[in-house]
Amino acid sequence: GESVGLHLPTLSVQEGDNSIINCAYSNSASDYFIWYKQESGKGPQFIIDIRSNMDKRQGQRVTVLLNKTVKHLSLQIAATQPGDSAVYFCAERYFGNEKLTFGTGTRLTIIP
Amino acid sequence: DAGVIQSPRHEVTEMGQEVTLRCKPISGHNSLFWYRQTMMRGLELLIYFNNNVPIDDSGMPEDRFSAKMPNASFSTLKIQPSEPRDSAVYFCASSFDSSRGYTFGSGTRLTVV
Repeated sequence: GESVGLHLPTLSVQEGDNSIINCAYSNSASDYFIWYKQESGKGPQFIIDIRSNMDKRQGQRVTVLLNKTVKHLSLQIAATQPGDSAVYFCAERYFGNEKLTFGTGTRLTIIP
Repeated sequence: DAGVIQSPRHEVTEMGQEVTLRCKPISGHNSLFWYRQTMMRGLELLIYFNNNVPIDDSGMPEDRFSAKMPNASFSTLKIQPSEPRDSAVYFCASSFDSSRGYTFGSGTRLTVV
């Protein structure tokens, strides 16, 4: 029979607009968070990270926001480009552990 | 820097056959991770090594799966015997400092028929 896969949240954004991708993490003891981008046929690629002692961190066209109170992480991409189309994963790690636990991902589609 | 190198890129094998996936981490990195990605379960950590020593293999599905890291520049993930449900993309990743993220390879797409 047909298998049921993960339902990937999908976000469609007009080229040039800003996009916001959200992630709820699970472990209140997590102290380090990363956003990865995965393009079709490729491995996940590091975008930006943030530690739990910070609320916000900015990179080139990307900003990560961390709200520890509600265990929420977001990735903002400014002035989206066609090359931003990909699946975006958040990942968390808790103190003293090297393992990264990944979320299910969000598919971002840029509309030309 | 060539990044994390995985081989083969694609593998098609028959059920019951042995499959060996290979990974060369980035030179100087001391941690190596094997992940499996499927539509059903997303990205799952199978096992990771630190300084060539297996630290956590709790994600290895069953005894049919085994992984080795004989030296700092090479690791293998072996499935014997393979089953159709093992079909997935297997990623290897490495890191130097556990306080930072990993660098992933391009993955091996395994199809067991």
